[in-house]
Amino acid sequence: SQQGEEDPQALSIQEGENATMNCSYKTSINNLQWYRQNSGRGLVHLILIRSNEREKHSGRLRVTLDTSKKSSSLLITASRAADTASYFCAPGPGGATNKLIFGTGTLLAVQP
Amino acid sequence: DAGVIQSPRHEVTEMGQEVTLRCKPISGHNSLFWYRQTMMRGLELLIYFNNNVPIDDSGMPEDRFSAKMPNASFSTLKIQPSEPRDSAVYFCASSFQGEKLFFGSGTQLSVL
Repeated sequence: SQQGEEDPQALSIQEGENATMNCSYKTSINNLQWYRQNSGRGLVHLILIRSNEREKHSGRLRVTLDTSKKSSSLLITASRAADTASYFCAPGPGGATNKLIFGTGTLLAVQP
Repeated sequence: DAGVIQSPRHEVTEMGQEVTLRCKPISGHNSLFWYRQTMMRGLELLIYFNNNVPIDDSGMPEDRFSAKMPNASFSTLKIQPSEPRDSAVYFCASSFQGEKLFFGSGTQLSVL
């Protein structure tokens, strides 16, 4: 299966703390993507990291990728209450039809 | 661009009725995906199109489900006849060259 599996299932932290979420996958990838979903809304793309990259930053987000371990992590620094959402990873097989299958996500709650 | 547009936003119907969900992808995108989300099953990929052609419909649960993409700017997902277990949020997403999916706001379907 090319589905990513997020860990932990749920995470509760205080505002200002860092949040780390992990993703494991089983197949070969061209890229790995992270998405956020606020309650009742569609998923929003956060960041894409390619298989030949090891780390990528975007604002308060830091993503790492270890293709030898088939794992990725998403770090949100200095979290805010507005970061409360579910976070999903999606391994991308690449090619013209990048079929993305999502796992169950990590539910992040940031307490003010 | 207005993003991916889905209609209706909410649909309440009775068991046995036909339901048609509609999606307008972002102009210029060549891939379109239909997902279904429930608490029990998470986010499931139902079908995806590339250049208006269905590539993989292995996620379509039954023959009661059908999807079409008559042109690059419009897609429909039809359920006939609908059943209570079809109740879910249905998302449409589009992308260019299969990367970075943009999701619509979803259609909340309730089958009574």
